Amino acid sequence: AQSVSQHNHHVILSEAASLELGCNYSYGGTVNLFWYVQYPGQHLQLLLKYFSGDPLVKGIKGFEAEFIKSKFSFNLRKPSVQWSDTAEYFCAVPYQTGANNLFFGTGTRLTVIP
Amino acid sequence: DAMVIQNPRYQVTQFGKPVTLSCSQTLNHNVMYWYQQKSSQAPKLLFHYYDKDFNNEADTPDNFQSRRPNTSFCFLDIRSPGLGDAAMYLCATSTGGLGQPQHFGDGTRLSIL
Repeated sequence: AQSVSQHNHHVILSEAASLELGCNYSYGGTVNLFWYVQYPGQHLQLLLKYFSGDPLVKGIKGFEAEFIKSKFSFNLRKPSVQWSDTAEYFCAVPYQTGANNLFFGTGTRLTVIP
Repeated sequence: DAMVIQNPRYQVTQFGKPVTLSCSQTLNHNVMYWYQQKSSQAPKLLFHYYDKDFNNEADTPDNFQSRRPNTSFCFLDIRSPGLGDAAMYLCATSTGGLGQPQHFGDGTRLSIL
């Protein structure tokens, strides 16, 4: 069964700093990977996903992630964060085909200081 | 426009008193999911419906039940809530197709007195 792990629990950055949040997955066949974001008081929403093809995936709000198969990683990046990026970020992987049940990582809380 | 709607946003119930949480969707998706999310933790899948087929996660307590009377609605019933069931409950939908994302509601925060 596939799973993901996120090792950064809380990251604090100043505005304009670069961001990289780690996500490692366990291999179990075809790999689909997701990053979800949860802004304070809001619902979880999709940031980006890797399905197949180009391993560098572009998402909303200037985020990107790179799927590196040899490292079992799918790290999330943004070259210059803004205060509005303050949120909880979850990496997720489907663990059951058919219904695409998601296994979520424990999440990384990002705080951006103005 | 909200596509996955959860009611109520906040629910308070007493220890042991049954409670029902509601979710509706306008996306006409095949799959509806219920997650439990405790503070500073990842959402944990409780069960899902693929159309009318109910799929329970192995470690979901018997105290938790679900109903899906039609495509648009899905309910989470907690028969005898305990203090440990206080959490945010998230509903999500998906087409169920490979690689398709899930669409989440705003959640219902359940408190137990």
